[in-house]
Amino acid sequence: GAVVSQHPSWVICKSGTSVKIECRSLDFQATTMFWYRQFPKQSLMLMATSNEGSKATYEQGVEKDKFLINHASLTLSTLTVTSAHPEDSSFYICSARAGRLGHYNEQFFGPGTRLTVL
Amino acid sequence: DAKTTQPNSMESNEEEPVHLPCNHSTISGTDYIHWYRQLPSQGPEYVIHGLTSNVNNRMASLAIAEDRKSSTLILHRATLRDAAVYYCILSPGNTGKLIFGQGTTLQVKP
Repeated sequence: GAVVSQHPSWVICKSGTSVKIECRSLDFQATTMFWYRQFPKQSLMLMATSNEGSKATYEQGVEKDKFLINHASLTLSTLTVTSAHPEDSSFYICSARAGRLGHYNEQFFGPGTRLTVL
Repeated sequence: DAKTTQPNSMESNEEEPVHLPCNHSTISGTDYIHWYRQLPSQGPEYVIHGLTSNVNNRMASLAIAEDRKSSTLILHRATLRDAAVYYCILSPGNTGKLIFGQGTTLQVKP
């Protein structure tokens, strides 16, 4: 199957700093990428949908000014957690989908990034 | 978004078949039924998906009820590596969005 990478795999930062997480599709072009967050012992929560070259669509309750998403190319999307606080500590996972809108394609998930804010 | 209902946990013995049920009574005509699984501290992994007909692939089989209000993921011979959280998800065909529920934690005993 297709491979999606995330970088970094884990990060520890001080409260108030910003952290950027990269999501790359390694062997296919991803027209759509998705960002999820997962707290311990909970399920994944969809944060936003990102289409290449356009603004991300955020799910209800997700602050778009806090979680900046950029999908500048067909193989790269970035999530920046701005002014991170301890409550933002979580496991952030991206996924990528190939193909045209209107066609189903399976999503390929990255390995996740563990963010710890001190 | 249409909702799915799964048992919180299930147990299986190694080498035996496992049937993981999922109820989705509010499914709409354009919703695909997806199954993903997640091992601890990893991203989810695609297992199988279907719309109306039963589906088979190298990992599993998906049996979809005639009225599409329920489905069953079948692992034909469980191995220890199949121990994971299994998510049954409905996804509208035109958006690709996956809204994860709580899933079923599958334990496989040797």
